[in-house]
Amino acid sequence: QKEVEQNSGPLSVPEGAIASLNCTYSDRVSQSFFWYRQYSGKSPELIMSIYSNGDKEDGRFTAQLNKASQYVSLLIRDSQPSDSATYLCAPTGNQFYFGTGTSLTVIP
Amino acid sequence: SAVISQKPSRDICQRGTSLTIQCQVDSQVTMMFWYRQQPGQSLTLIATANQGSEATYESGFVIDKFPISRPNLTFSTLTVSNLSPEDSSIYLCRVGTYNEQFFGPGTRLTVL
Repeated sequence: QKEVEQNSGPLSVPEGAIASLNCTYSDRVSQSFFWYRQYSGKSPELIMSIYSNGDKEDGRFTAQLNKASQYVSLLIRDSQPSDSATYLCAPTGNQFYFGTGTSLTVIP
Repeated sequence: SAVISQKPSRDICQRGTSLTIQCQVDSQVTMMFWYRQQPGQSLTLIATANQGSEATYESGFVIDKFPISRPNLTFSTLTVSNLSPEDSSIYLCRVGTYNEQFFGPGTRLTVL
């Protein structure tokens, strides 16, 4: 399966801070990415998709894609305890493979 | 977004038996996949369920152990055969298009 690397964490940030989640990939064919959030005991939920270089903002979430560096990130501004979850990145396409996920804990 | 259901939501099975998991979607979807998530791990793609033809399996997964059916564009089944405790996992179906992908709620399997 294709390589998608994430820092497994756990990552802890205080409430109100910015959480930065990173993902690198080895397949130069991958052109766009999904970010999923998975709460404990639940199935993954799609929160962001990014298809071009640069930034894409959606509320408190910003996805960043750098194809030259094969790097995609997710920034969560004004982190809330409800953001505590595991975040998974995956390249889009007919079949895609997930990173290992980063566990985020937002401390009240 | 598609509404996806899975049955059963959970089951406890004895080793050596089999469990068949159903994935039902409320609309026709081109792509349907089966994943496994072992405790504390990320998701691993088992296979692509192809409508009208044999499933396409990922490395490490074989048809004899994980037979898959997809009789139409809204339904698929995954059977986990000859169960062992190592098969204890959450099994999830994923459906969608290139630009949108959604997961079912998952089936939690415990093998004793």
